[in-house]
Amino acid sequence: EAGVVQSPRYKIIEKKQPVAFWCNPISGHNTLYWYRQNLGQGPELLIRYENEEAVDDSQLPKDRFSAERLKGVDSTLKIQPAELGDSAVYLCASSLDQSRARNTEAFFGQGTRLTVV
Amino acid sequence: AQKVTQAQTEISVVEKEDVTLDCVYETRDTTYYLFWYKQPPSGELVFLIRRNSFDEQNEISGRYSWNFQKSTSSFNFTITASQVVDSAVYFCAMKTSYDKVIFGPGTSLSVIP
Repeated sequence: EAGVVQSPRYKIIEKKQPVAFWCNPISGHNTLYWYRQNLGQGPELLIRYENEEAVDDSQLPKDRFSAERLKGVDSTLKIQPAELGDSAVYLCASSLDQSRARNTEAFFGQGTRLTVV
Repeated sequence: AQKVTQAQTEISVVEKEDVTLDCVYETRDTTYYLFWYKQPPSGELVFLIRRNSFDEQNEISGRYSWNFQKSTSSFNFTITASQVVDSAVYFCAMKTSYDKVIFGPGTSLSVIP
């Protein structure tokens, strides 16, 4: 079974440029997460989707970050414009429907390492 | 406050030694879930174990074992007879009533051959 797929693996951009990340969750997983992981720290949640609905985006910096999951399957995370402080690893994860089974674990992709110069 | 603390930033052990990674959590919820994840150099977070707040039974899986103690709010992870392949960053995490998963800062484990 394929795991969570993310692309690209690495991205280097100049500050003020836009960037987008793509994630395809595990088939059948209704819940999708985007996390940001700064160097030497644990992942921090940016946004959580249940199907196509964003149920928790309280940590998403909405002035420059946006996300979508139009058909309830794959998702994109965008930053526009990027700032130097956005350099981090962006992780996507998915899990079974949280409303039915809250104790299910999340499965993570390999992440996109973003460097803003 | 909801918080996960991993006081050990970095640990180095010689191969075949046992090592325990500490995790202390903080929550007022009576129902919560605890997890351990491994992050090897490749970057992908690998799920290791899940525990809910009502199940304090310790668990052993091969060389891995977990000790959950509600009295001390701890969920420690022990690797027996460590191997070089165990070198990674290990994260303890907690999911609370709002389905928010909070990760600790991680412990970087180096197993030296």
